[in-house]
Amino acid sequence: SQQGEEDPQALSIQEGENATMNCSYKTSINNLQWYRQNSGRGLVHLILIRSNEREKHSGRLRVTLDTSKKSSSLLITASRAADTASYFCATYSGGYQKVTFGTGTKLQVIP
Amino acid sequence: GAGVSQSPSNKVTEKGKDVELRCDPISGHTALYWYRQSLGQGLEFLIYFQGNSAPDKSGLPSDRFSAERTGGSVSTLTIQRTQQEDSAVYLCASSARSSWDEQFFGPGTRLTVL
Repeated sequence: SQQGEEDPQALSIQEGENATMNCSYKTSINNLQWYRQNSGRGLVHLILIRSNEREKHSGRLRVTLDTSKKSSSLLITASRAADTASYFCATYSGGYQKVTFGTGTKLQVIP
Repeated sequence: GAGVSQSPSNKVTEKGKDVELRCDPISGHTALYWYRQSLGQGLEFLIYFQGNSAPDKSGLPSDRFSAERTGGSVSTLTIQRTQQEDSAVYLCASSARSSWDEQFFGPGTRLTVL
């Protein structure tokens, strides 16, 4: 498996429910970032968590990081139809800041 | 500029032809990245620029791929003798100083090799 793998690969929930996505990685990281990609092309940065942080919040988003397990989770609370998108984690490591994106979780929020 | 721009937005070419993709990063951003995304897949890292130099070219899939950045601004990704497997969306991103910062993505160039 590759650095930055998300699971599940696909997730379908009802509007108002919470959505949890997980990301696992293999090597030591400097920081981990979550991005969203709506149908189309551009990615939008959601949140960054540094290796010395364990939890971070931004609006309806909550990110946790467990460096001992080399994993992170993204929780979206009170989901909305507009949250329908693919979500990617990106890990940053190395002296020259090598960045690796995961394979993504496709979230569908049903109105 | 207001954001990262890429051109062209779509490119259809014949197998064996060369193509050049352009990325205009956000003004003042020193770090620039190229990624490739095949249909329904994740992002594949291609190359990273810090200023005009590329400390990490490890993601370039073959010697048919090359990239340059001039004046610490515009970057071009060139694919020579295109193959059908090169068909993908090519995404460019920039960040203020390094990959430790938030990356801002362009809308991408959809390349189709017939």
